[in-house]
Amino acid sequence: DSGVTQTPKHLITATGQRVTLRCSPRSGDLSVYWYQQSLDQGLQFLIQYYNGEERAKGNILERFSAQQFPDLHSELNLSSLELGDSALYFCASSVDGTGLSKETQYFGPGTRLLVL
Amino acid sequence: QQQVKQSPQSLIVQKGGISIINCAYENTAFDYFPWYQQFPGKGPALLIAIRPDVSEKKEGRFTISFNKSAKQFSLHIMDSQPGDSATYFCAASTRGGSQGNLIFGKGTKLSVKP
Repeated sequence: DSGVTQTPKHLITATGQRVTLRCSPRSGDLSVYWYQQSLDQGLQFLIQYYNGEERAKGNILERFSAQQFPDLHSELNLSSLELGDSALYFCASSVDGTGLSKETQYFGPGTRLLVL
Repeated sequence: QQQVKQSPQSLIVQKGGISIINCAYENTAFDYFPWYQQFPGKGPALLIAIRPDVSEKKEGRFTISFNKSAKQFSLHIMDSQPGDSATYFCAASTRGGSQGNLIFGKGTKLSVKP
């Protein structure tokens, strides 16, 4: 158990809908990362938040947005869903300090999204 | 453009054998190279990581070999066991700036036969 929790575990929805994925980082971790895992694209970085502020953006679509709240949990919002958005969405967290051990990203169990 | 290339895509090894997975990167600014292990239905878990100032790091049966000039690094699993059967991902990131996101290879599905 990594200490990172994600809900829900599974999500089935229809095209055009909007969903929210939730992530709680490990206790003490300030950085939250969102990744998308699909068969054809592999693990792709979407976005990073550090202590409530957006720090880095990757291959995140404009239809997707995220935020990190004062209690450090994060939500990933996916809107106008398309069939191609079906994937596993992982949240990871890290302390984000100096030193190799503090840079480790711990991944949650993921949310499997199926868009029908 | 794939910044981290991983091979092979799949690997079958007999129990007790050595599993070797290779990765190559392009961005010379990368300075952190972790390997992650993922079992079906689970999130990736850090296995071992290395910085480019050392050429090898060993933790138990797992060893990372790093060749900075060739921009390549590899994972060696000694005495492979059926319990090692999983998908392995190499990754890279730049720790020196404000961004710490990982760039992953496509993954290698390892099957260790008893």
